[in-house]
Amino acid sequence: GAGVSQSPRYKVAKRGQDVALRCDPISGHVSLFWYQQALGQGPEFLTYFQNEAQLDKSGLPSDRFFAERPEGSVSTLKIQRTQQEDSAVYLCASSRGAGEHYEQYFGPGTRLTVT
Amino acid sequence: RKEVEQDPGPFNVPEGATVAFNCTYSNSASQSFFWYRQDCRKEPKLLMSVYSSGNEDGRFTAQLNRASQYISLLIRDSKLSDSATYLCVVNTGRWSGTYKYIFGTGTRLKVLA
Repeated sequence: GAGVSQSPRYKVAKRGQDVALRCDPISGHVSLFWYQQALGQGPEFLTYFQNEAQLDKSGLPSDRFFAERPEGSVSTLKIQRTQQEDSAVYLCASSRGAGEHYEQYFGPGTRLTVT
Repeated sequence: RKEVEQDPGPFNVPEGATVAFNCTYSNSASQSFFWYRQDCRKEPKLLMSVYSSGNEDGRFTAQLNRASQYISLLIRDSKLSDSATYLCVVNTGRWSGTYKYIFGTGTRLKVLA
């Protein structure tokens, strides 16, 4: 079946622009996670949804970052007034259940470059 | 101190060698543990979950030591295709109110012909 998809795969933004990154999780997956991965680092947790509820947004680096999942399926991560330090790969992952033992399936990521 | 720590490597080993990675975690209440593999410019993929009793999958063996708060991954008979970054992942579990997966920085492995 279809895996997690993300779009766009690559995004170049000028500093100060707003961007929106989309994630289509595997159909029926309850949990959805967003991560930020800088070069040479592991993914850093940003936020977690269980269905449409955003249960944890403790990893969002600033109030310029906003995520939503209004119908419990597709999710969008929005970054306002992008800064150079926002340049990274943004990974989305989904899992079937709402517990800690479920495998996460990752999308291919969106590589954001802020110039 | 980072919540999950790994030696970034790189580990350069010849084909056929056995190599082991360790990962330490700081939260004693952590509930579940995983090893993910990430190839260059690709997304992470689950290699194996780590159970209290230890588990083995072919050439790969994972161990958990709760008392010392570390997990390990052993790769026997290394293949060229094992070259990748290996990410240690810890889930804090429900006690923290959310199922947060914490990733280590990853350990780079390069298997040489």
